[in-house]
Amino acid sequence: KAGVTQTPRYLIKTRGQQVTLSCSPISGHRSVSWYQQTPGQGLQFLFEYFSETQRNKGNFPGRFSGRQFSNSRSEMNVSTLELGDSALYLCASRANGGGEQYFGPGTRLTVT
Amino acid sequence: GNSVTQMEGPVTLSEEAFLTINCTYTATGYPSLFWYVQYPGEGLQLLLKATKADDKGSNKGFEATYRKETTSFHLEKGSVQVSDSAVYFCALSDQGGSEKLVFGKGTKLTVNP
Repeated sequence: KAGVTQTPRYLIKTRGQQVTLSCSPISGHRSVSWYQQTPGQGLQFLFEYFSETQRNKGNFPGRFSGRQFSNSRSEMNVSTLELGDSALYLCASRANGGGEQYFGPGTRLTVT
Repeated sequence: GNSVTQMEGPVTLSEEAFLTINCTYTATGYPSLFWYVQYPGEGLQLLLKATKADDKGSNKGFEATYRKETTSFHLEKGSVQVSDSAVYFCALSDQGGSEKLVFGKGTKLTVNP
């Protein structure tokens, strides 16, 4: 079974721009979560989607948004990028009945 | 809210040394506890987990026991290898099916030959 895939792997954007990151979960997994990893703040929960519905949301400004499609693929969007948004963005998927979260390799976003 | 505190790194050991990485947590209810490992340039991999008090999680020679009385979940390995060099994260999740994981800051381990 293929693992969680994230695209793109690396991205460089300029302040004020917006960006969309994509995550494809493991086949059959309907739950997708997103995390931001920075050296200063560590790993922080962004949001969780299940069957196209946002089930949980972390403490991030409204510039951070996400969605999930009927095939369980998920995207997150960050608008009006700030330098502090530079981070590794990790996506994780989980099977319907619970159990382990499987993480993708992440998207490294650099904002200049 | 829930939180996880783990020992500050970095930790540098010689091959075959004993490893302990301390982790304590604050949580309401009865969370599940995890150790994740991150190798350079990669995402997180689940190393081991425990879902209730006194459970011992183990994998690849690593062990951790869920201690409710001390709210701890310390990671141990009897003999580390160079290939164990990575960043280790302690985490908890709420019961009840929530996906949200709360992570510690991470501990970087370097094992020298």
